Amino acid sequence: DIQLTQSPSSLSAFVGDTVTITCRASQINRNYVAWFQQKPGKAPKSLIYAGSSLQSGVPSRFSGSGSGTDFSLTISSLQPEDFGIYYCQQYDAYPLTFGQGTRLEIK
Amino acid sequence: EVQLVESGGGLVQPGGSLRLSCAASGFAFSDHYMDWVRQAPGKGLEWVGRTRNKANSFTTEYGASVKGRFTISRDESKNSLYLQMNFLITEDTAVYYCVRTTWTQPRLYGMDVWGQGTTVTVSS
Repeated sequence: DIQLTQSPSSLSAFVGDTVTITCRASQINRNYVAWFQQKPGKAPKSLIYAGSSLQSGVPSRFSGSGSGTDFSLTISSLQPEDFGIYYCQQYDAYPLTFGQGTRLEIK
Repeated sequence: EVQLVESGGGLVQPGGSLRLSCAASGFAFSDHYMDWVRQAPGKGLEWVGRTRNKANSFTTEYGASVKGRFTISRDESKNSLYLQMNFLITEDTAVYYCVRTTWTQPRLYGMDVWGQGTTVTVSS
């Protein structure tokens, strides 16, 4: 199985800051990595697919990048509503797997 | 409006069975893969399984922890997805999400729409 390790596990930042969350895969052949945002008590929301493509309706301050086994999610100009837990996911191979999550707090 | 609405969750004893449903609307159901993803209390996301679209004969895949106990099916006439869960154990306690996956060339978007979830509690 492909293991995904996210870092940091949690972070805190101010409105207007730029933050980056990384996701390292134990092995992966294609850039089939997605990112999701989850707020307390709510279903996850899809943000990024194929490593760097924005899902429809997602603000452009969210961006994804990566190559090889290292991927990242960057949020520019952080907004108050960006708090929550962020998960990466790989869909390059079965079983599909998720990272353990990164909790983002707005100061 | 694209929508997924899960139902069927509840309290069940260990060893019991439960069937979850997911009603889909606002899109061509047969064109999409459909997944189940679960989240145990206070934990992260875990993929449960998938059924592919009509073009791929609705074939299925499962995660190791549920293989042989859970079965995913779909009814195109009702635009509905199902998860039959047998031999339930306490570790199956979770919120279960129905998720649409778009995977038809050139639209390879992955998991793109999530339902609100339904809660399953396995306890005596």
